[in-house]
Amino acid sequence: GDSVTQMEGPVTLSEEAFLTINCTYTATGYPSLFWYVQYPGEGLQLLLKATKADDKGSNKGFEATYRKETTSFHLEKGSVQVSDSAVYFCALSDRRAGGFKTIFGAGTRLFVKA
Amino acid sequence: GAVVSQHPSRVICKSGTSVKIECRSLDFQATTMFWYRQFPKQSLMLMATSNEGSKATYEQGVEKDKFLINHASLTLSTLTVTSAHPEDSSFYICSARDRAGAPNTGELFFGEGSRLTVL
Repeated sequence: GDSVTQMEGPVTLSEEAFLTINCTYTATGYPSLFWYVQYPGEGLQLLLKATKADDKGSNKGFEATYRKETTSFHLEKGSVQVSDSAVYFCALSDRRAGGFKTIFGAGTRLFVKA
Repeated sequence: GAVVSQHPSRVICKSGTSVKIECRSLDFQATTMFWYRQFPKQSLMLMATSNEGSKATYEQGVEKDKFLINHASLTLSTLTVTSAHPEDSSFYICSARDRAGAPNTGELFFGEGSRLTVL
């Protein structure tokens, strides 16, 4: 079945460091890929998405490229800020009979130190 | 973008009582909503899919009599934790899709979450 694997956390970085959070997936179809972010005590919100191979999603300085050949959707940011401290979830949505099914990765907690 | 609102954000109750959590889509119609449970420092666990006007579909291992789901309108789904016990304490999150706004991507819009503490 479909699955999402993302790097274990926590990831601790200093402010202005480069961030990479790896995410790989398995899917039988052609899923859409997402990164969601969860700030402390809140629900999830969409950070970025890509709906087909080679698409690049970007938002707030974060980027991820849908790589079908490596089945990956790694999240990157060139210079992190303290306010980026949160939990990041990689997810895929695959169209099934009756609608979409969404699979989440385990989440990666990011701590950014000033 | 589409907005999903959850209420209450925090609730504390005594063991044996029932608690209702509401999930509303504020600016779109959601024929399907999803309820998740999240344990500390863990990922989301899908509990059930709430379908407007019909019975919810529960994931394996989730007690349907314990977690009652009602989706009576296109903008409201409720989760009732019946006869709550301390082990039901958790963070509950709902989500929905805006079928008109993002019909082909499967993007989800999440509520703010509800933290339940059962004493």
